[in-house]
Amino acid sequence: AQSVTQLDSQVPVFEEAPVELRCNYSSSVSVYLFWYVQYPNQGLQLLLKYLSGSTLVESINGFEAEFNKSQTSFHLRKPSVHISDTAEYFCAVRTGGGFKTIFGAGTRLFVKA
Amino acid sequence: DAGVIQSPRHEVTEMGQEVTLRCKPISGHNSLFWYRQTMMRGLELLIYFNNNVPIDDSGMPEDRFSAKMPNASFSTLKIQPSEPRDSAVYFCASSFTGGFYEQYFGPGTRLTVT
Repeated sequence: AQSVTQLDSQVPVFEEAPVELRCNYSSSVSVYLFWYVQYPNQGLQLLLKYLSGSTLVESINGFEAEFNKSQTSFHLRKPSVHISDTAEYFCAVRTGGGFKTIFGAGTRLFVKA
Repeated sequence: DAGVIQSPRHEVTEMGQEVTLRCKPISGHNSLFWYRQTMMRGLELLIYFNNNVPIDDSGMPEDRFSAKMPNASFSTLKIQPSEPRDSAVYFCASSFTGGFYEQYFGPGTRLTVT
């Protein structure tokens, strides 16, 4: 069975500092990996995804994530965060043949001035 | 594209009343998912449909919950009778199984049962 573990429930960080949100998954088959972001009072939005090919994927707003098959990880990073990055971030996994996506518990990122 | 549309955005009702939440998926998407989000339990998958057929309803908490998808452009989630512990934000999401499977979420319905 698939599962997703987000190792930090909350991550406070100062503006312009780097940040890493950690995600580990378990699956016995090939997977698609996703990061979603949820801003206050909104639904989840896709931030970036790994399907195949290059293990480093990037979003349009400066986030990146690296697929590490040997460590079954898909950590999200940003070299310099902004106040506007304050949100909850969800890591998710889906197997190639399945309909369902498994979401992690979420990590709340607080960016402080 | 208008995205996933949910109505109402907010619902306040009294315990024992029937509540119906509505969802219009993105045109062309053939999978639809209902989720519930609370502070205590996080994001929970309640039920999902593929090509209008319910595939897995194991996340539906009780028989008080039911969901239908009569056609490709409409789905409902009904709670009858409602209870205070049903208070949560309910999200609908859709995806296209012929593509890369990412889900597109609606804005949610915030349900308060008093």
